[in-house]
Amino acid sequence: EDQVTQSPEALRLQEGESSSLNCSYTVSGLRGLFWYRQDPGKGPEFLFTLYSAGEEKEKERLKATLTKKESFLHITAPKPEDSATYLCAVRGDSSYKLIFGSGTRLLVRP
Amino acid sequence: DGGITQSPKYLFRKEGQNVTLSCEQNLNHDAMYWYRQDPGQGLRLIYYSQIVNDFQKGDIAEGYSVSREKKESFPLTVTSAQKNPTAFYLCASSMGQGGYEQYFGPGTRLTVT
Repeated sequence: EDQVTQSPEALRLQEGESSSLNCSYTVSGLRGLFWYRQDPGKGPEFLFTLYSAGEEKEKERLKATLTKKESFLHITAPKPEDSATYLCAVRGDSSYKLIFGSGTRLLVRP
Repeated sequence: DGGITQSPKYLFRKEGQNVTLSCEQNLNHDAMYWYRQDPGQGLRLIYYSQIVNDFQKGDIAEGYSVSREKKESFPLTVTSAQKNPTAFYLCASSMGQGGYEQYFGPGTRLTVT
């Protein structure tokens, strides 16, 4: 069964303190791994798609990487406006649907 | 601007009443989806539609119904048969089912008392 686990559940950082969020997955035949950002009371905002191990993508202070078992979302020198919940999802060969993790709630303090 | 709209943002209903949530997209996407989000849980798929006049059940379809009469629109009805309808409902769309990223609307928070 396809599964996604995100850790930690919550993360508090000081402004400028870099860190990483983890997304571990099991899926038969990865068709795509997706990262989203969600602000409270809003819909998820698409960030990245990764398709194969070794792939990396960057956007401003965010960098997503992918291995055969997990993905990391690295946040470099975060700012308070980076505070949000970050969701990871995968799609495998065996199913049409995206499987979402429960998310990591990130709080960046000034 | 292209995007997905959901209305209303907040919805309140009494138990026993059916309620319909609206979802419209002008991205020319073929596939549309409905998810439910509860605190501390991942998004769960209710229904999805790949093409007009066709839709399939997701993981938690019981107590919900949908229609897809137009490519742009995918309304969700929460029926009185849904035992725990209070939740945050999200609509999404994608170019197609295969591996494409999904884009989400702003969501509708439904409260049933």
